[in-house]
Amino acid sequence: QVQLVQSGAEVKKPGASVKVSCKASGYTFTGYYMHWVRQAPGQGLEWMGWINPNSGGTNYAQKFQGRVTMTRDTSISTAYMELSRLRSDDTAVYYCARDRGGLRELLGFLVYWGQGTLVTVSS
Amino acid sequence: SSELTQDPAVSVALGQTVRITCQGDSLRSYYASWYQQKPGQAPVLVIYGKNNRPSGIPDRFSGSSSGNTASLTITGAQAEDEADYYCNSRDSSGTVVFGGGTKLTVL
Repeated sequence: QVQLVQSGAEVKKPGASVKVSCKASGYTFTGYYMHWVRQAPGQGLEWMGWINPNSGGTNYAQKFQGRVTMTRDTSISTAYMELSRLRSDDTAVYYCARDRGGLRELLGFLVYWGQGTLVTVSS
Repeated sequence: SSELTQDPAVSVALGQTVRITCQGDSLRSYYASWYQQKPGQAPVLVIYGKNNRPSGIPDRFSGSSSGNTASLTITGAQAEDEADYYCNSRDSSGTVVFGGGTKLTVL
């Protein structure tokens, strides 16, 4: 069965960076787009971007351009999301989520989700 | 960038039918998908595309679309359907956007 297992909670100071991992299993990692979505406390879902695990190509939400970097390591079927220059309003649960479609067509239908990683930014 | 608009809150009597809507320009070209989220849990995909349900999703959940509006309908709402519901879609640039979410209360 498909599983996405994320790294554990992080506490960071303002201005620091955080790198969250998402280990995939149960399917061909390089065959599907991987998205990153975050949710601040009491707020809605916010799409951050996606990575094509096959090519490494990315597409980031304009809001995060210049601060987010999505990468992958195909040898261990793991995707990463690094957010830099952290601020207090980056405190959120960060999710990885796999697209339902294959690489031929980005669908945006997020069928499998990781368990979420809480990132707390506090001085 | 694209935006999707949802009503913040909707209520439904137990066993009745409720429709949750999502509006945005991207929906004229791309299908929406719908997610159910309960407190402390990751979102769950309940409807995608024209009107498709992932395995395990009850058939009381259905979707439809017309023009710039996508709708999620729950026919015979159950107590366990009380949750936040989010729509999303992609746009022509390959970015994805979520609606602001609708809190569903089952009375």
